[in-house]
Amino acid sequence: QSALTQPASVSGSPGQSITISCTGTSSDVGAYNFVSWYQQHPGKAPKLMIYEVSNRPSGVSNRFSGSKSGNTASLIISGLQAEDEADYYCNSHTTSSTLVFGSGTKVTVL
Amino acid sequence: QVQLVESGGGLVKPGGSLRLSCAASGFTFSEFYMSWVRQAPGKGLEWVSYITTSWTVYYADSVKGRVTISRDNAKNSLSLQMNSLRAEDTAVYYCTRLYYNIMADKGYHFDYWGQGIPVTVSS
Repeated sequence: QSALTQPASVSGSPGQSITISCTGTSSDVGAYNFVSWYQQHPGKAPKLMIYEVSNRPSGVSNRFSGSKSGNTASLIISGLQAEDEADYYCNSHTTSSTLVFGSGTKVTVL
Repeated sequence: QVQLVESGGGLVKPGGSLRLSCAASGFTFSEFYMSWVRQAPGKGLEWVSYITTSWTVYYADSVKGRVTISRDNAKNSLSLQMNSLRAEDTAVYYCTRLYYNIMADKGYHFDYWGQGIPVTVSS
């Protein structure tokens, strides 16, 4: 149950687009479309941003989108805003019926 | 609205035990999978365990054999019994609802989270 691999940090200027990758294996990310993404601000509980690779829950800005190719999933944040500065985590279901999180990515808005 | 409220955290000595509870409201508890997720100080999220609507349980390797998840549908309550605690179990523990639609085979995402409860394992 190794953590999925995410870049430690990603930064961008307001209005720009950034992409956060989440790399797993054929036993997790590559096996199903059960990849989700979470945003966490300091001292707060995580918040679901994307589920089943590319679906947005009600209330989440359409500036957030997701995709997947093979064993790598991606979260794209377009039109970057100051409030998007946070930690982001991916998660995947696995072929062992367990769940695994990514290592986390700190997004900085320059 | 959905609410998940954890309780039972605190300071415990290495080798000790602790039982976390989560009171759920605002949804039909018996119809949803439930899960625990933890976050060590300054670290990332780690999935701990989940329990299905038919009481099947799954655990992360890091806690298997030391932790037991259970649910009481009559009381809308989720529990996590933790034994043989180690310093590396120190974390904020979150109670989460794990959405999964059995009929559609869709889901496996944490759609609601509690506020989290700290557990510190230290002598």
